[in-house]
Amino acid sequence: DSGVTQTPKHLITATGQRVTLRCSPRSGDLSVYWYQQSLDQGLQFLIQYYNGEERAKGNILERFSAQQFPDLHSELNLSSLELGDSALYFCASSVRGLNSPLHFGNGTRLTVT
Amino acid sequence: TQLLEQSPQFLSIQEGENLTVYCNSSSVFSSLQWYRQEPGEGPVLLVTVVTGGEVKKLKRLTFQFGDARKDSSLHITAAQPGDTGLYLCAGSNTGNQFYFGTGTSLTVIP
Repeated sequence: DSGVTQTPKHLITATGQRVTLRCSPRSGDLSVYWYQQSLDQGLQFLIQYYNGEERAKGNILERFSAQQFPDLHSELNLSSLELGDSALYFCASSVRGLNSPLHFGNGTRLTVT
Repeated sequence: TQLLEQSPQFLSIQEGENLTVYCNSSSVFSSLQWYRQEPGEGPVLLVTVVTGGEVKKLKRLTFQFGDARKDSSLHITAAQPGDTGLYLCAGSNTGNQFYFGTGTSLTVIP
């Protein structure tokens, strides 16, 4: 158990809809990262937060947004969903500090029909 | 984007065989991690290497960080079915951003 909790585990929705994915980091971890994993794209970095502030953006679409709340949990919002958004979405957390590794949750599997 | 290329992409071997997975980049990283991912789960950290030329051993797994901190290798001795999974390397920079490799899917046949 990594200590990172993601909900829901599975999500099935239709094109055009909006969903919210939730992540609770490990106790004490201030950094939260979101990744998208699909079969043909591997693990793609979306966005990073540290203590409530956005720190880095990766390949995140404009239809996607995220935030980290004062209690350090994070949410990833995906809107105007397309079939190609179907993927596993992972949240990871780490302590602050150079070379601190990532601890991943078990992901949310999103299926857009 | 800092790209890491892993090779091979797929590997299917018999139990007891040895194997090496490579992770290469043109970028310098402050550290490199190796993770293993099993179906339906998130990646789990195996090791972090920080110093150029560093070698770390974890039972039957040996990890090496290149002298220039651009590449790494993972060697497994006497592979077992429990080693089956997706192996991912990830390089991190001074901003604590992590860039993942393309992955190596290993299957060890009993």
